[in-house]
Amino acid sequence: DIQMTQSPSSLSASVGDRVTITCRASQGISNYLAWYQQKPGKVPKLLIYAASTLQSGVPSRFSGSGSGTDFTLTISSLQPEDVATYYCQKYNSALLTFGGGTKVEIK
Amino acid sequence: EVQLVESGGGLVKPGGSLRLSCAASGFTFSSYSMNWVRQAPGKGLEWVSSISSSSSYIYYADSVKGRFTISRDNAKNSLYLQMNSLRAEDTAVYYCARGVWSGYSPPLLHWGQGTTVTVSS
Repeated sequence: DIQMTQSPSSLSASVGDRVTITCRASQGISNYLAWYQQKPGKVPKLLIYAASTLQSGVPSRFSGSGSGTDFTLTISSLQPEDVATYYCQKYNSALLTFGGGTKVEIK
Repeated sequence: EVQLVESGGGLVKPGGSLRLSCAASGFTFSSYSMNWVRQAPGKGLEWVSSISSSSSYIYYADSVKGRFTISRDNAKNSLYLQMNSLRAEDTAVYYCARGVWSGYSPPLLHWGQGTTVTVSS
């Protein structure tokens, strides 16, 4: 089975900082990669799919890139409302494996 | 508006059983594959199981294979998860989720609010 590894597991940054989260697949998954945001006590929200396609309504400060095994989620200018845990997920097969998550906090 | 409402969670002893339900509305349920995803307290998301629109294809995470059974009733717009031989590590919030599109293995756009399962003696 393909494993999804995220790094870092947590980070602290200042408002306005550029934040980058990495997700690595143990085997190539083309661009079948999604990113989710889960705020404390809330349901997960789909941010990006197909590695770089922004879901409707998601702010443009969020972007995704990558293909194959290495992927990145970038927040261009961190805002207070972006405090959340972010998960990557592969969907190249019916086994929808999630990464372990990255918790983003404000410094 | 797409709505997914889970029910059936509760406290159960190790080795016990529980059946979760998910009532769907606001879309053509019979056209979409459906999923169960869980989240243990303070932990990350774990995909549990998926079922195709006509129930022809069913998949499970290794952690629940042989103990959990996913099913659906398209006439009732409902998704189910029968959980047997429950263990403490099955304690989690269980979410019902639907994909962005109706095809094979989509990313998950719509989520229910979740139902809590606690396995404890």
